[in-house]
Amino acid sequence: DAGITQSPRHKVTETGTPVTLRCHQTENHRYMYWYRQDPGHGLRLIHYSYGVKDTDKGEVSDGYSVSRSKTEDFLLTLESATSSQTSVYFCAISESALGLAEYEQYFGPGTRLTVT
Amino acid sequence: GENVEQHPSTLSVQEGDSAVIKCTYSDSASNYFPWYKQELGKGPQLIIDIRSNVGEKKDQRIAVTLNKTAKHFSLHITETQPEDSAVYFCAASRISGSARQLTFGSGTQLTVLP
Repeated sequence: DAGITQSPRHKVTETGTPVTLRCHQTENHRYMYWYRQDPGHGLRLIHYSYGVKDTDKGEVSDGYSVSRSKTEDFLLTLESATSSQTSVYFCAISESALGLAEYEQYFGPGTRLTVT
Repeated sequence: GENVEQHPSTLSVQEGDSAVIKCTYSDSASNYFPWYKQELGKGPQLIIDIRSNVGEKKDQRIAVTLNKTAKHFSLHITETQPEDSAVYFCAASRISGSARQLTFGSGTQLTVLP
């Protein structure tokens, strides 16, 4: 999984509670992404980061926030979890995004989150 | 935004036969098209990709073709083996905002029957 770890790997939580998922990389890649995977929808981008303290919204960002205080760590927070946020969450990393540099995205092992 | 459609959603083939998965995209600004293989309980793994300045790319038993005019691209797996059984995702990538963003198809469950 290209030097990417996610924690926790599984979590069950109750509606209304805050949840934070962590992505840690050892590749020193600039770009980091959070996706959710749901049946019939493939993977959808939640938020991404293009550097320390630099983040932006993706396709399905409502109800989620992110933070990146170090190159290696990217946190996804559900401020008040809802049942619709039950999903599998994947982190991805990329070295670059522009020009001819390498910009393949590599994915972590995922976190399965259940909101009851 | 970009929209990627993938077909078929399920595909069963006999071991040794070929498998073809097709995708279409909508945004002509997309210029990079990766394919991912996902095994049960694991994250997607990049298996092959193609850039918009190339029409075809091969890597052993796997090949990808791209038709920019028609906005479609396909994954071809020859001489399929049981270990090829997995979910396959296509994606289209373009610069959006401050990064390169991927839009995924909904996936194809490939089953290779022994």
